[in-house]
Amino acid sequence: KQEVTQIPAALSVPEGENLVLNCSFTDSAIYNLQWFRQDPGKGLTSLLLIQSSQREQTSGRLNASLDKSSGRSTLYIAASQPGDSATYLCAASNSGGGADGLTFGKGTHLIIQP
Amino acid sequence: EAQVTQNPRYLITVTGKKLTVTCSQNMNHEYMSWYRQDPGLGLRQIYYSMNVEVTDKGDVPEGYKVSRKEKRNFPLILESPSPNQTSLYFCASSARGRRSYEQYFGPGTRLTVT
Repeated sequence: KQEVTQIPAALSVPEGENLVLNCSFTDSAIYNLQWFRQDPGKGLTSLLLIQSSQREQTSGRLNASLDKSSGRSTLYIAASQPGDSATYLCAASNSGGGADGLTFGKGTHLIIQP
Repeated sequence: EAQVTQNPRYLITVTGKKLTVTCSQNMNHEYMSWYRQDPGLGLRQIYYSMNVEVTDKGDVPEGYKVSRKEKRNFPLILESPSPNQTSLYFCASSARGRRSYEQYFGPGTRLTVT
């Protein structure tokens, strides 16, 4: 059964800093890994999808990497801004092969101080 | 516009009064899932469906039912809601394709059971 852990649970940094959020998963036979953003009381915004055959994906100031062998993914945020404040969720495809949904980490609550 | 819709978005009900939360997707996706999100516990999968008339339990199925009579719809049924089912619920869909099993989420349904 897939398990996903995110470290740290909370992070507060000054505006402008580069930062890294960590995600680890137990079943390396994943089909994909997704990073989401969630604002308080709101829905999930998909940020990046990394397929199992890929090592990284980039979108603007965001870069996500995937190392299946070690069961780890990182989300790198460059030049952080107050608008980046949110909870970031990592989710790995379930052990059934991808069609049976995702297992989520509990998230990293990020605060960017102006 | 490709989307997953959920209704209602907000619902307050009383213990024992049967309710249904609808989920519909317009992307012709084969796979659909329901999740619930609770503080400190994160997002957990309730049920998933791999095709019409094919459903299976996720991690927290107790107290819920689902059906998949049409490809586009995947309603979540609470036959006798209890206060511990107060939560934020998300429906998601995906398909096997170029972006293998990328999950698309609905906007969420906030349910309160008193």
